[in-house]
Amino acid sequence: GENVEQHPSTLSVQEGDSAVIKCTYSDSASNYFPWYKQELGKRPQLIIDIRSNVGEKKDQRIAVTLNKTAKHFSLHITETQPEDSAVYFCAASYSSASKIIFGSGTRLSIRP
Amino acid sequence: GAVVSQHPSRVICKSGTSVKIECRSLDFQATTMFWYRQFPKKSLMLMATSNEGSKATYEQGVEKDKFLINHASLTLSTLTVTSAHPEDSSFYICSTLLGADNEQFFGPGTRLTVL
Repeated sequence: GENVEQHPSTLSVQEGDSAVIKCTYSDSASNYFPWYKQELGKRPQLIIDIRSNVGEKKDQRIAVTLNKTAKHFSLHITETQPEDSAVYFCAASYSSASKIIFGSGTRLSIRP
Repeated sequence: GAVVSQHPSRVICKSGTSVKIECRSLDFQATTMFWYRQFPKKSLMLMATSNEGSKATYEQGVEKDKFLINHASLTLSTLTVTSAHPEDSSFYICSTLLGADNEQFFGPGTRLTVL
């Protein structure tokens, strides 16, 4: 089955700087890669996703890159703000309608 | 607004009792729902895929007789934790698919504490 590894487990950056979170997956058949943000005690919220037919996607301060050959994908947050502090999960799936396998999570802290 | 609700949001029970958690899709039909478990400071672990009108598909290592899933209607799936023990204490979250892109929407979660 699919296995998703995520690092770092914790990340602290200065407000205004960029944050990068990296993930790798094991199953080459996976072709849908969502990223979720979870605040303490809350449900995960989809922040961006990418499908295997593209290598990069951007939405304002958030971007995701995908390297299918190497089976890794990354989340980039630019101009970080205090409200970006949360736990971020990467995930992989065969399709958006299939079960999702989550990475272990990254706790992002933004220093004022 | 929310598209998936869960009830209860929080439950405390004694060891040995059974607890039922409801997951409802609001204003749309959900043939497929997913149940996850999340221990403190850990990731979401998929427990099972719930399909309306048929048996749930459980992930490896998840006891189907302990975690009973029923998806009897297109808007409701239930997870029953039978004979709960302290190690079952966790955050249980359901999700469902919505829209042309089949985006997964998560419920608000149910925090179960077994004494």
